[in-house]
Amino acid sequence: ILNVEQSPQSLHVQEGDSTNFTCSFPSSNFYALHWYRWETAKSPEALFVMTLNGDEKKKGRISATLNTKEGYSYLYIKGSQPEDSATYLCAFGQGGSEKLVFGKGTKLTVNP
Amino acid sequence: SAVISQKPSRDICQRGTSLTIQCQVDSQVTMMFWYRQQPGQSLTLIATANQGSEATYESGFVIDKFPISRPNLTFSTLTVSNMSPEDSSIYLCSVPIKGWGTEAFFGQGTRLTVV
Repeated sequence: ILNVEQSPQSLHVQEGDSTNFTCSFPSSNFYALHWYRWETAKSPEALFVMTLNGDEKKKGRISATLNTKEGYSYLYIKGSQPEDSATYLCAFGQGGSEKLVFGKGTKLTVNP
Repeated sequence: SAVISQKPSRDICQRGTSLTIQCQVDSQVTMMFWYRQQPGQSLTLIATANQGSEATYESGFVIDKFPISRPNLTFSTLTVSNMSPEDSSIYLCSVPIKGWGTEAFFGQGTRLTVV
């Protein structure tokens, strides 16, 4: 059974703080690592899809890194804003399969 | 980006009844996925809906409990049958619009409460 772990489970920060979350996944048979943002009452929205070891991707104040050999990815948010409040999900894509295995997510609350 | 319409957005149902959730995509897609998120748990794949053939179910999920239809390349339904409170979850449909291995697009989700 594939296991994807995310930490922390929840996080409360002040507006302007920078923060980061961790996603751990199996290091064997890796194909892709996805990050999604899921706001309450909305659809999960893709942030990044990373496939190469050492990949770093950035979208505005949000960036992510990937280490496939040790099986982890970090998501960073610089200067958090209240609109960043959401649950951040990572998902592991295994070689040869379309299926994604999700972690439980990190719920971020940014206080104004 | 794709437009995926999922309905209902929420429902409260009596135990023992069934609910059918619909997912409509604005473009033709080969695969559609159905996920469930129980409270405090991760998004878990229920099944892959294939057009023209039976759905492929993941371990722990069976067709009698979660029958799926896929009449064409833009539409699918998931039925939650003979519901119990343990079925209270968010149900999501998902498609990889851009092809194999690319980002997934999701419907808005159905928040189901079984009483």
